[in-house]
Amino acid sequence: QSVLTQPPSVSGAPGQRVTISCTGSSSNIGAGYDVHWYQQLPGTAPKLLIYGNSNRPSGVPDRFSGSKSGTSASLAITGLQAEDEADYYCQSYDSSLSGSVFGGGTQLTVL
Amino acid sequence: QVQLVQSGAEVKKPGSSVKVSCKASGGTFSSYAISWVRQAPGQGLEWMGGIIPIFGTANYAQKFQGRVTITADESTSTAYMELSSLRSEDTAVYYCARAATTVTTPDYWYFDLWGRGTLVTVSS
Repeated sequence: QSVLTQPPSVSGAPGQRVTISCTGSSSNIGAGYDVHWYQQLPGTAPKLLIYGNSNRPSGVPDRFSGSKSGTSASLAITGLQAEDEADYYCQSYDSSLSGSVFGGGTQLTVL
Repeated sequence: QVQLVQSGAEVKKPGSSVKVSCKASGGTFSSYAISWVRQAPGQGLEWMGGIIPIFGTANYAQKFQGRVTITADESTSTAYMELSSLRSEDTAVYYCARAATTVTTPDYWYFDLWGRGTLVTVSS
C-alpha cells in the first residue's frame, strides 16, 4: 500500500484530456511538501515530467500540467497522443516516514 | 552531458547481499544527492534512501533501515547501494537517480537524472 494513492488506470481517446489524481495526507502533501510527477515508458527508467507541483522541465510539452490543493495533487494531460501511453507516478516527502514516497502509479491507455 | 551508468544484472541466493554501483559518466556528482529507487516486477517505484557524496551522509527509508547501506566515492563519482539479507521479494530493478537540487535534506529531493536500472534477481 502506497502512502500516496493514485488510480490504477485511466484512459482517453486521442485529443482528449485526462487527469490523474494523487491523494496524500497531513504528513506529506497536506503538510506543504511539493509533489513531482514522472512518466515511465515500458522498459525504461522514469522521466521527470513535473516538479514543484506545477513546473515543467525544459523539453516537456505544455500539454502536461500539474496542480496541488490540500492533501491532493493532479496531473493533467491535454491533447492526448499515442506516445503518452505510459505509467505515471507522483512523488512527495513524508514527515512521518522521514523520506521520499511515491504513489502506486497510474497506467494511461490511449484508446 | 552527465549520465548515470549502473553495474550489470545480478543473481543472488536468499540470505546473501548485493552491491550495485552507479557511476557519473561525463561529469561528477557535484553537490547533488544520489538516491536509490527500486521497482519490483509489475510494481511501482519505491525510494530506498539517498546520499550526498561530498558529505558522505546517507538517509534511509524506514523500511530498509538496517538492511541497506548507501555509500559514495567522490573521487570516482561512484555511488553504491548494498542490500543484505536478501529475500525473493527483493527481486527488482534498482535505479540510481540524481536529485535535481543541491538542497541537502531529502524533503526537497526530486529526480531529474536516472540510471538505466540494474536487475537483481533473488532465487535459490
